[in-house]
Amino acid sequence: SFELTQPPSVTVSPGQTAEITCSGDALPNQYVYWYQQKPGQAPILVIHKDTERPSGIPERFSGSTSGKTVTLTISGVRAEDEADYYCQSADSSDWVFGGGTKLTVL
Amino acid sequence: QVQLVQSGAEVKKPGASVKVSCKASGYTFNDYYVHWVRQAPGQGLEWMGRITPYNGATISAQKFQDRATMSSDTSISTAYMQLNRLTSDDTAVYYCARVPVRYYSGMDVWGQGTTVIVSS
Repeated sequence: SFELTQPPSVTVSPGQTAEITCSGDALPNQYVYWYQQKPGQAPILVIHKDTERPSGIPERFSGSTSGKTVTLTISGVRAEDEADYYCQSADSSDWVFGGGTKLTVL
Repeated sequence: QVQLVQSGAEVKKPGASVKVSCKASGYTFNDYYVHWVRQAPGQGLEWMGRITPYNGATISAQKFQDRATMSSDTSISTAYMQLNRLTSDDTAVYYCARVPVRYYSGMDVWGQGTTVIVSS
């Protein structure tokens, strides 16, 4: 198995840029997916294959990768973006989620 | 529209089993894996395993290999996850989610979640 590490929390002001990182030794060789989860709701896929944005996801959500770290960037953060964000990756036999990052918009 | 609809909440006693269903609609059931993910109260997401509906092949997280059984009935586009020998640590919301079989993608459609409470 492998592990993915995220910061527990990130705080930004409305209109600023939020960056949430996900680190793991396996990441240079595996795609990363990002999910947004609001309280009481199922997760929503916001980035897939490291950098691609599914249809219907606002352009302010983007992904990037550098070595063992991938980053979810939310530009021009809105109050509605306050949520938990999870990265996820997979190898041939195991799917793993990061511990999650709580994004607070103050 | 594309959706996954899960069965209702369950309350079980320690040592019992629970079986959660996940009915797919709006897409070709056999074109997607069905994954199972759980979330304990106040905790993060935990992957349990996946099933390939058209042939019944399964992969499970090591933690659940001896307790969780995934199955599917393609005639009614429904996947199932049964968890045996329940303990209080299994109290969680259980989600199903789909992933395409033929290309890389994340879990793009999720069920609404099924709450399972294990309590004596």
